[in-house]
Amino acid sequence: GQNIDQPTEMTATEGAIVQINCTYQTSGFNGLFWYQQHAGEAPTFLSYNVLDGLEEKGRFSSFLSRSKGYSYLLLKELQMKDSASYLCAVRDSNYQLIWGAGTKLIIKP
Amino acid sequence: IAGITQAPTSQILAAGRRMTLRCTQDMRHNAMYWYRQDLGLGLRLIHYSNTAGTTGKGEVPDGYSVSRANTDDFPLTLASAVPSQTSVYFCASSDSASGGGELFFGEGSRLTVL
Repeated sequence: GQNIDQPTEMTATEGAIVQINCTYQTSGFNGLFWYQQHAGEAPTFLSYNVLDGLEEKGRFSSFLSRSKGYSYLLLKELQMKDSASYLCAVRDSNYQLIWGAGTKLIIKP
Repeated sequence: IAGITQAPTSQILAAGRRMTLRCTQDMRHNAMYWYRQDLGLGLRLIHYSNTAGTTGKGEVPDGYSVSRANTDDFPLTLASAVPSQTSVYFCASSDSASGGGELFFGEGSRLTVL
């Protein structure tokens, strides 16, 4: 079967750095997405990786290793507004998105 | 309207009733999707449409139907609602069903079936 694993919950301090990991086992690979979802709201797009390596976008970076079936989302200079769930999703060989259950990130002052 | 709009935002429904969740986008995206989101689970695909006039079944299609008569609209119908269909439903669209096209989501429809 297809599976996306990410931690259920993480806690970090305002101003710090946090890394959210995602491992996947899917039938084929056609890209990996990270989305942010605030409580009670819709998911919004953060990043897309299809090749190995690091993609940086402001305070957020996303890394991919296809050989290891692994990605992480790195958030720097954490702000209270970063408190949200972070969803990892992989597009499989049929171009369908397989979603992880999400990581709830709690930011403390 | 700008983006993707869902209606209703929230609904309480008696079991056995028929319900249609509406979804409209004005971005001229080819692909549209319906997901349900339940606590502790990832988004699960119910039905999708890669282009107007075509639809396909996702991971959890039973009890649901969709139609795609035009590019903009993609309604989801529950023919006879059951309590297990209590969930938050998200409609989404993307420019393409493949590649790096991001999904744009509606604000969600919270459905409670009693």
